[in-house]
Amino acid sequence: GAGVSQSPRYKVAKRGQDVALRCDPISGHVSLFWYQQALGQGPEFLTYFQNEAQLDKSGLPSDRFFAERPEGSVSTLKIQRTQQEDSAVYLCASSPSVNTEAFFGQGTRLTVV
Amino acid sequence: AQSVTQLGSHVSVSEGALVLLRCNYSSSVPPYLFWYVQYPNQGLQLLLKYTTGATLVKGINGFEAEFKKSETSFHLTKPSAHMSDAAEYFCAVSDRRSPYGGSQGNLIFGKGTKLSVKP
Repeated sequence: GAGVSQSPRYKVAKRGQDVALRCDPISGHVSLFWYQQALGQGPEFLTYFQNEAQLDKSGLPSDRFFAERPEGSVSTLKIQRTQQEDSAVYLCASSPSVNTEAFFGQGTRLTVV
Repeated sequence: AQSVTQLGSHVSVSEGALVLLRCNYSSSVPPYLFWYVQYPNQGLQLLLKYTTGATLVKGINGFEAEFKKSETSFHLTKPSAHMSDAAEYFCAVSDRRSPYGGSQGNLIFGKGTKLSVKP
């Protein structure tokens, strides 16, 4: 497939557990975004990468959230010591360059119990 | 700070009727404006966007939106609803001053409007 791929699609974590969410952007896309979408809400910006550089992490809600994109392609969003309020759909989007349309993946639904 | 307000969390129309989904924004500078559609268990898909130029923007699937600066609005319309239009719709704004934003940067989304279409 040529779209943005996210895995796993669903993740259930026990409170306090660490999780890692993966995003495979469209090949060659420079820009990569992570968003958090709580139930009944619109997506909220978490962080932005341009190639391997994390240029904006202003939306990360706490220091338990960490994102990386070491080789400028695949990105991982890690959440340490998960809390119930972390339950949400995590969306990844990529775009070919800075000023072009971003394409969204289907998201990972995280449920913390 | 920028913000987006979508009036009505749920809108129901009959098939063939006009679709009107309302979006108002606040921004200290002229924003970039977007409408996205989200089908169940799917990612967001861009319907249309306003950056500069013509204030009436046409998008996919027969949707259009008009940027009205005086009303700080960007309402989404479609003349005739189809069953396949049933989905959740999100209005979003982007700060054109963002160094990486351009027309697709850090997006601020509204809470969404779920559109139902009755046969």
